Amino acid sequence: ILNVEQSPQSLHVQEGDSTNFTCSFPSSNFYALHWYRWETAKSPEALFVMTLNGDEKKKGRISATLNTKEGYSYLYIKGSQPEDSATYLCASGNAGGTSYGKLTFGQGTILTVHP
Amino acid sequence: NAGVTQTPKFRVLKTGQSMTLLCAQDMNHEYMYWYRQDPGMGLRLIHYSVGEGTTAKGEVPDGYNVSRLKKQNFLLGLESAAPSQTSVYFCASSYSRDRGYLVATQYFGPGTRLLVL
Repeated sequence: ILNVEQSPQSLHVQEGDSTNFTCSFPSSNFYALHWYRWETAKSPEALFVMTLNGDEKKKGRISATLNTKEGYSYLYIKGSQPEDSATYLCASGNAGGTSYGKLTFGQGTILTVHP
Repeated sequence: NAGVTQTPKFRVLKTGQSMTLLCAQDMNHEYMYWYRQDPGMGLRLIHYSVGEGTTAKGEVPDGYNVSRLKKQNFLLGLESAAPSQTSVYFCASSYSRDRGYLVATQYFGPGTRLLVL
């Protein structure tokens, strides 16, 4: 079983603050790292998929980076807004055996943005 | 497109009862997955399917069975429910390849909340 760790577990910030959190994943047989945004009472929605070392992706105020050699990814939110409040999940895709595109999810970082 | 739908949304079972959760997707995805989500545990893979008629075990398969008789449907069965199976169950689906990536974006259903008494 692969170990995907996210930190911190939860984060409280004020509106307008910039913030970031970390996902660490196994670097061996790595294929892809996904970030999902999960709002309360909704389903997880994909933010980014990254595969190459040094990849950077951006969507509005949210961006992510990937280091496959050391096995970590950062998610950044610039100028946080209350609507950014959600759980942010990362998931690693690693090969081996019959992986068939399975993702291993981290526990998530719960972000609360206070007005 | 409805995307991924799950039936039912909420169910209460007594220990020992059986039930089936239905997942349906209309995106012609090859792969489908069942996860359970428990507090502090993230999403854990129960079973998955890479195509019609094919299923495989995930991380936490014990106590569950699945079937994929049609490409668009993936059923999760609990033969004899236990309180430990109280959880929120999410179904997801994906293409086998997505923009050239081997591991494709997964699209999730709204979840089924199950309480086993």
